[in-house]
Amino acid sequence: KAGVTQTPRYLIKTRGQQVTLSCSPISGHRSVSWYQQTPGQGLQFLFEYFSETQRNKGNFPGRFSGRQFSNSRSEMNVSTLELGDSALYLCASSLGPSGLEGELFFGEGSRLTVL
Amino acid sequence: AQSVAQPEDQVNVAEGNPLTVKCTYSVSGNPYLFWYVQYPNRGLQFLLKYITGDNLVKGSYGFEAEFNKSQTSFHLKKPSALVSDSALYFCAVRDSNYGQNFVFGPGTRLSVLP
Repeated sequence: KAGVTQTPRYLIKTRGQQVTLSCSPISGHRSVSWYQQTPGQGLQFLFEYFSETQRNKGNFPGRFSGRQFSNSRSEMNVSTLELGDSALYLCASSLGPSGLEGELFFGEGSRLTVL
Repeated sequence: AQSVAQPEDQVNVAEGNPLTVKCTYSVSGNPYLFWYVQYPNRGLQFLLKYITGDNLVKGSYGFEAEFNKSQTSFHLKKPSALVSDSALYFCAVRDSNYGQNFVFGPGTRLSVLP
């Protein structure tokens, strides 16, 4: 069974640009969560989608947005990039929505560098 | 509100010695507890979880963790450390109340010295 696939793995952008990251969950998983990982802040929850609906949202500005498609694939978008957005963005999938017992399965991440 | 603490930023242990990585948590409902490991420039890999039942949970790569409700702890252990265990370890909690997302601790860097 294929794991969680994130694309692109690495990307470099400049301030003010926007970026779209993609995540394909494990087959059969309907929940996708996004996390931002930085050395200073650790792992911070961005949002979670289940069956195309956003179920939870972390404490990030509106520049961060996401969506989920009917095939459970998810994208997240960051507009008007700032230097502080440089991070490893991790996508995780699970069978069910938050509150259930299943663990998260993570992708390898997309490393974003903002210059 | 949920929270997770990992009191040690760094743990050093000699190869062959037992290792412990500490984790304490706070939730309002019953906790679902997880350990993950991260190698450089990789995603997080699931090691083990506690949902209910036996307080001692066994997971991947010889790791185990003990759930202690009175001390609200979930320490990760391994009887004999390997150099290849060197990585970043994250403890995570999810409140059993429906609708709560995962909360991760800050991580503990484990270095196993040959």
